[in-house]
Amino acid sequence: EAGVTQFPSHSVIEKGQTVTLRCDPISGHDNLYWYRRVMGKEIKFLLHFVKESKQDESGMPNNRFLAERTGGTYSTLKVQPAELEDSGVYFCASSPRWFAYEQYFGPGTRLTVT
Amino acid sequence: DQQVKQNSPSLSVQEGRISILNCDYTNSMFDYFLWYKKYPAEGPTFLISISSIKDKNEDGRFTVFLNKSAKHLSLHIVPSQPGDSAVYFCAASALGTGANNLFFGTGTRLTVIP
Repeated sequence: EAGVTQFPSHSVIEKGQTVTLRCDPISGHDNLYWYRRVMGKEIKFLLHFVKESKQDESGMPNNRFLAERTGGTYSTLKVQPAELEDSGVYFCASSPRWFAYEQYFGPGTRLTVT
Repeated sequence: DQQVKQNSPSLSVQEGRISILNCDYTNSMFDYFLWYKKYPAEGPTFLISISSIKDKNEDGRFTVFLNKSAKHLSLHIVPSQPGDSAVYFCAASALGTGANNLFFGTGTRLTVIP
């Protein structure tokens, strides 16, 4: 069974540009999460999808971040326009059930905004 | 405000000895706790978990202890092996509130010396 995959693995963009990160969850996992880790700090929750619906987006930092999950399959996270403080590693995770105790993480996308 | 804290950024242990990683939390609504292990360039991988109704959970070489009154948990690895060298994240969830997102600590880098 394939794990959670994320693309790209690394992105370097200039301040003010747009970047779109993609996450493909484990097949059959209805729950999809986005997290972010800024250098040396904790991994912070951004939002949670159940199928194509946003269940909880309380962690989204501001309206420059837009997450979508088309057809309840893969998800994209767009940052527009990117700021320096958006740099970090963006992790996607998925789980099969609502109250799944364990979430399966992808390898992350390292975003560097210069 | 960080609700899950790992105050030791790093820990070095001799192979064969016990590794003890500590974690403190502040939110009394947390009712499920997890430890994740992370290798470089990979996403966090679930290791072991414990419900707030228990005070100990064991899985092979890994044991997690929970002290609810002190809002403290620890992960014991016995015996430690060089392959255990990784960053360990403590995480917590307040499933009883209906939320499913995880709150992470900043991680502890464990180095097991052969």
